Amino acid sequence: GNSVTQMEGPVTLSEEAFLTINCTYTATGYPSLFWYVQYPGEGLQLLLKATKADDKGSNKGFEATYRKETTSFHLEKGSVQVSDSAVYFCPDFEYSGGGADGLTFGKGTHLIIQP
Amino acid sequence: ETGVTQSPTHLIKTRGQQVTLRCSSQSGHNTVSWYQQALGQGPQFIFQYYREEENGRGNFPPRFSGLQFPNYSSELNVNALELDDSALYLCASSLGSFENIQYFGAGTRLSVL
Repeated sequence: GNSVTQMEGPVTLSEEAFLTINCTYTATGYPSLFWYVQYPGEGLQLLLKATKADDKGSNKGFEATYRKETTSFHLEKGSVQVSDSAVYFCPDFEYSGGGADGLTFGKGTHLIIQP
Repeated sequence: ETGVTQSPTHLIKTRGQQVTLRCSSQSGHNTVSWYQQALGQGPQFIFQYYREEENGRGNFPPRFSGLQFPNYSSELNVNALELDDSALYLCASSLGSFENIQYFGAGTRLSVL
């Protein structure tokens, strides 16, 4: 089955630093890729998505590019804010044809931004 | 706000009891997926309901069951609760089984004592 690997956290940065959170996946086909963010005590919010190779998803200053050759979908932001502190997940979705398999999540990366 | 609402927000049960969690999907969405998120872990797919039928299932035992109603709201039922069932249970709705953007509710925090 699919699996997703994210960089271990917590990741601690100072405000206005450049952010990269690595994410790689294993899939037999061409999955859709996502970044979701979970703020403390809340559910998951979709941050951005990409559905095919070389697609770039972007939202709220965050970007990620679907790299088929390296099976990666790393999240980047040029200047982080304290309000970006949260847990970030990069699930993938691949429909097997035998029924829905749901989103496949890794453990998430806890991001802490210090003022 | 995703428009997906879950109830209750918190629940405490004892081992061996049964529990029902509820989810109202976003307007216009006919597909509901349920996930279990243990503390410090990513969500794990339990199952999906599409047009009132189970449409896929993750690696969870049969004591995890569900329903979807004609208005596309859904229930997750767990029988014979175990301590390891303590987790955040998330519901996500989407427009069709093939539509892969899922919108999550805030979850129900279940504690089994």
